[in-house]
Amino acid sequence: QVQLVESGGGFVKPGGSLRLSCAASGFTFSVYHMTWIRQAPGKGLEWVSSISGGGDSSSYAESVKGRFTLSRDNTQNSLFLQMNSLRAEDTAVYYCAREVWWLPDFWGQGTLVTVSS
Amino acid sequence: QSALTQPPSASGSPGQSVTISCTGTSSDVGGYNYVSWYQQHPGKAPKLMIYEVTKRPSGVPDRFSGSKSGNTASLTVSGLQAEDEADYYCSSYAGSNKYVVFGGGTTLTVL
Repeated sequence: QVQLVESGGGFVKPGGSLRLSCAASGFTFSVYHMTWIRQAPGKGLEWVSSISGGGDSSSYAESVKGRFTLSRDNTQNSLFLQMNSLRAEDTAVYYCAREVWWLPDFWGQGTLVTVSS
Repeated sequence: QSALTQPPSASGSPGQSVTISCTGTSSDVGGYNYVSWYQQHPGKAPKLMIYEVTKRPSGVPDRFSGSKSGNTASLTVSGLQAEDEADYYCSSYAGSNKYVVFGGGTTLTVL
C-alpha cells in the first residue's frame, strides 16, 4: 500500500533553515509528481511546492518562492524540501503527498515545523 | 484568505443529506474538471474523498458524491453517519501560475 513518511520537522528561530524529507513506498515513485502542502495551526490547507516525476521541473507558491527548494532522489524514493530564511508564518504541519493530475491523492501524516524566537 | 470559498460549517442529523459548496472562479473551479474533496479528522492527515469533480477512490462509500456547476463545486454526503463528522476541504487546479488552490474548509457536524 502507498506510504509516505515525513521527517525533519522541529523548532527553529526566524531566519533559520530546516530540511524536510519524505520517504515513499508502495508505488513507482519516479512516475509521480510529488507535492508539499502545509497547514498552520487551526487553519486551512496551503499548497507549497510540487515537482515532476523526473525532478526536472518544480513549482512554488509565491509565499515561499526564493526561500524553499524542492528536490527528489528517485534512487532512494525520497522527496526533500529545503527551507531557508524561515519566518513565523511558515509555522505549520507540512504534509508530503503524491500528485495525480496536479491534485494530491495520498498524504503522509505530516511533520510539524515551528518558527519562533 | 483562501482562494476557494466554503461555508465554515454545515450540519445534519444521522441519515440526512448535507451539501457543502466550494466557489471559485473561471480560472480554477470553472476552468478545469480537476476538483478534489478531502476529509480531515482532528489530528489526522487529509483523506481523498472525491477527485476529478465526481469520481470516488476505491474504498470511499458511495454516500459521498461530487458535482460542479459553473464556478461552484459541491460535495454531498448522503445518509449521514457519526463518523462523517470532520473537516472537509475542496481543492482545484488553477493553472501553471497558481497551480493548486484550496478552500478554507467546512466543519461538518452530525447532530
